[in-house]
Parts: sequence; C-alpha cells; structure tokens
Amino acid sequence: LAKTTQPISMDSYEGQEVNITCSHNNIATNDYITWYQQFPSQGPRFIIQGYKTKVTNEVASLFIPADRKSSTLSLPRVSLSDTAVYYCLVGSGNTGKLIFGQGTTLQVKP
Amino acid sequence: DTAVSQTPKYLVTQMGNDKSIKCEQNLGHDTMYWYKQDSKKFLKIMFSYNNKELIINETVPNRFSPKSPDKAHLNLHINSLELGDSAVYFCASSHATSGGSQETQYFGPGTRLLVL
Repeated sequence: LAKTTQPISMDSYEGQEVNITCSHNNIATNDYITWYQQFPSQGPRFIIQGYKTKVTNEVASLFIPADRKSSTLSLPRVSLSDTAVYYCLVGSGNTGKLIFGQGTTLQVKP
Repeated sequence: DTAVSQTPKYLVTQMGNDKSIKCEQNLGHDTMYWYKQDSKKFLKIMFSYNNKELIINETVPNRFSPKSPDKAHLNLHINSLELGDSAVYFCASSHATSGGSQETQYFGPGTRLLVL
C-alpha cells in the first residue's frame, strides 16, 4: 500500500481558500485517492475521492496531476468550523484496508 | 439516527482488567472495522469483518478479540489490559470491501480508553 506524506499542520484565516497537498510516489495503478476529515472527539468522515484529474463536490475539490504521484485537496472559503485534521489515503478497494497517515491539522483563525 | 454507534464513550479501568467495547451500525453494511488511534493521531486498522467473517487481522496482540454476532454488530473484547492499550478506538463500517474504488467507511464517535 502506498505511503502518503502531507504537512503536519497548516494555518489559515476565515474566507481563504486552503490547499493541502499529499505526496504518494508509490501509488499503484488501481489505487484511488481519498480524503477524510476528523473533528476533535469525533471519528473521521469521508470528504472526497478521486482517481485522476479533478473531482469536485459540495465540500471540496480534489486535483490529481497526470502522474498521480500527488494530490491537492482544496477547501474554498474556509470557516472556523473547518478546523480539523485532514487525512490523505491511497489504496484499492480490494481489502477495504485504509492506511491513515498522521494527517494535516488545519487551524482556521478569525 | 446514529449510523455507527459505540458504547461506552469513555472507559477508565485498571491494568489487568478485561473490558468490552460494543459497536452497532444501522446502515445495512456488510463490512465492519476496528481502528486504534494513539495520542499522535495515527489511526491504525486492527480488524475487519465481512458478513461476520474475519477478513483483516493486523498484528494485534491476542488479548484483543473481535466478535461479530451478526453483520450489524462488531464488538471488541480486550483481556488483561495494559497501559499501552490507552487510546481511542473507532468502529467503522462500509457497504463492501471489493469494487473498483475504495468504499467509503463510516466511523463511529470513538471510545476513549484509559488504562491506569
């Protein structure tokens, strides 16, 4: 399973766009890229998933370059409630095994 | 309605005791999981069950034993608790494990275990 590397922490201000990049150099052909969000004292929650190019939903966008060795989670106009830990995961669905890294702690300030 | 629920939410106990954590999901999912999150926020999978059958068993001490009475429940029993077992334990479920994409996993609120 591919290992992921992401910044340990990031700070932002309300209303700004936040981009969190994840490196996954050893991603396999059948691996998908998934991001989860975890608020304090809660379990992780699925945000977005993609395989290549760009995916957008009501919460975020996910940009994946052609070589798929990295991905960027984009949160538009963050608010204080977006303060959380964001995890990037890479793997296939064959085993259901999710490998979580340390995640990126995003702190949104007023 | 809570999709994935765990009880208890907090558990404080002494070393050497035996304790259980219960998990239930009402999503109709076929697969359930147990994860352990340590103080550094690393989240590691421990077990996975699909339709009451064990499919993932990571390197976890034998003191940890999952039990799935039916596909909506996956309980975690821990024998002879040790200080290092202190962590937050999350239960999760997904529709299935196979498929062309990673199935979304739905997590419970966690059980905070403190071993004294």
